[in-house]
Amino acid sequence: EVQLVESGGGLVQPGRSLKLSCAASGFTFSSFAMAWVRQAPKKGLEWVATITSGGSNTYYPDSVKGRFTISRDNAKSTLYLQMDSLRSEDTATYYCAKDGLRRGLFDYWGQGVMVTVSS
Amino acid sequence: DVQMTQSPSNLAASPGESVSINCKASKSISKYLAWYQQKPGKANKLLIYSGSTLQSGTPSRFSGSGSGTDFTLTIRNLEPEDFGLYYCQQHNEYPPTFGAGTKLELK
Repeated sequence: EVQLVESGGGLVQPGRSLKLSCAASGFTFSSFAMAWVRQAPKKGLEWVATITSGGSNTYYPDSVKGRFTISRDNAKSTLYLQMDSLRSEDTATYYCAKDGLRRGLFDYWGQGVMVTVSS
Repeated sequence: DVQMTQSPSNLAASPGESVSINCKASKSISKYLAWYQQKPGKANKLLIYSGSTLQSGTPSRFSGSGSGTDFTLTIRNLEPEDFGLYYCQQHNEYPPTFGAGTKLELK
């Protein structure tokens, strides 16, 4: 059974940093691209970052480019999201997601971790 | 970026009824449209991808149709567990983009 478990969320002040983790199990982690998707309170879903299976390529939307860094440790089956220069608009639940048969298709999701950016 | 417009925003129905949710892309996405279900306390679930292909484990009462810019999710014979939020998402090009969601509520 595929399991994705996020951790590392919490309350952080604007301008500060936070690092999220996602522990994966139930599939060959090193064979799949992985992604982060977020959802602001009472809002829709927004893709945040993707990393290829080997970690050599990463992709971001303009809203987080230069501030967020996605990475992975295939030996530990763990995905990360380093979030720097956080803004109030980054307040959201962050989901870890596994890429499916096609890049950008998310076939398994974690339950999410809340990040609140506030002074 | 491809904009996804989902309708209706809210939908009320009773168990046993059939409902449809629509999703329109701002440009052609070929067949690459996915539908997800979101319920409180549970991981988001991929229901359908590539417009009409059921993900493993998705009940057959769910079906997807459409291509190009216009897509539809149909749920026949609603079950109590089907009530929740539904999102469409295009997986044709980067960045992947989502519709605003449809809340399916019990009438």
